[in-house]
Amino acid sequence: GESVGLHLPTLSVQEGDNSIINCAYSNSASDYFIWYKQESGKGPQFIIDIRSNMDKRQGQRVTVLLNKTVKHLSLQIAATQPGDSAVYFCAEIPPIGGYNKLIFGAGTRLAVHP
Amino acid sequence: DAGVTQSPTHLIKTRGQHVTLRCSPISGHKSVSWYQQVLGQGPQFIFQYYEKEERGRGNFPDRFSARQFPNYSSELNVNALLLGDSALYLCASGGELNTEAFFGQGTRLTVV
Repeated sequence: GESVGLHLPTLSVQEGDNSIINCAYSNSASDYFIWYKQESGKGPQFIIDIRSNMDKRQGQRVTVLLNKTVKHLSLQIAATQPGDSAVYFCAEIPPIGGYNKLIFGAGTRLAVHP
Repeated sequence: DAGVTQSPTHLIKTRGQHVTLRCSPISGHKSVSWYQQVLGQGPQFIFQYYEKEERGRGNFPDRFSARQFPNYSSELNVNALLLGDSALYLCASGGELNTEAFFGQGTRLTVV
């Protein structure tokens, strides 16, 4: 079945470095993708989204890149801070279903070291 | 303005029992979705309701059911609990755009 997966389960970075978290999706018909951050004991928190008609979208310290040719998403975090330590999920909304029906990957844990 | 609220925050139940989890969406939001998140995994879609009608159902057994009330709050019910039902149950609230999904803090269910 269709799913969204991640390349790296754990990523360790030094404070101040840039972080890149990758995600592969399998449903080429999906046209909307979201990155979430989940801290321990909390629900997923929206970070940034992107539609399939875009290649890049920037937020505050974060950038999402979409490569539809290879069905790949990435989340770039600039100047990573200790508060960025969390599990990051990419999610897609499939073409059928809509209305908050998200397909999540397994997640990548980001550990920021001082 | 309050975000998505879920109750209770934590719950311990015995195998075979029944549980009801509750969710209040963001004011003005008409869509509520439920997700199950097993430790170490991403959330898995269970149900989605919009304007009190079921709009989507994930691959979960009939022991799982849900409903949405006129005030758009929602309940998730699980019957005949199994140990494997132990998880964080998340509720997501959405507005008119089907791409919105704001999550609550979740209910941590432990089945013993």
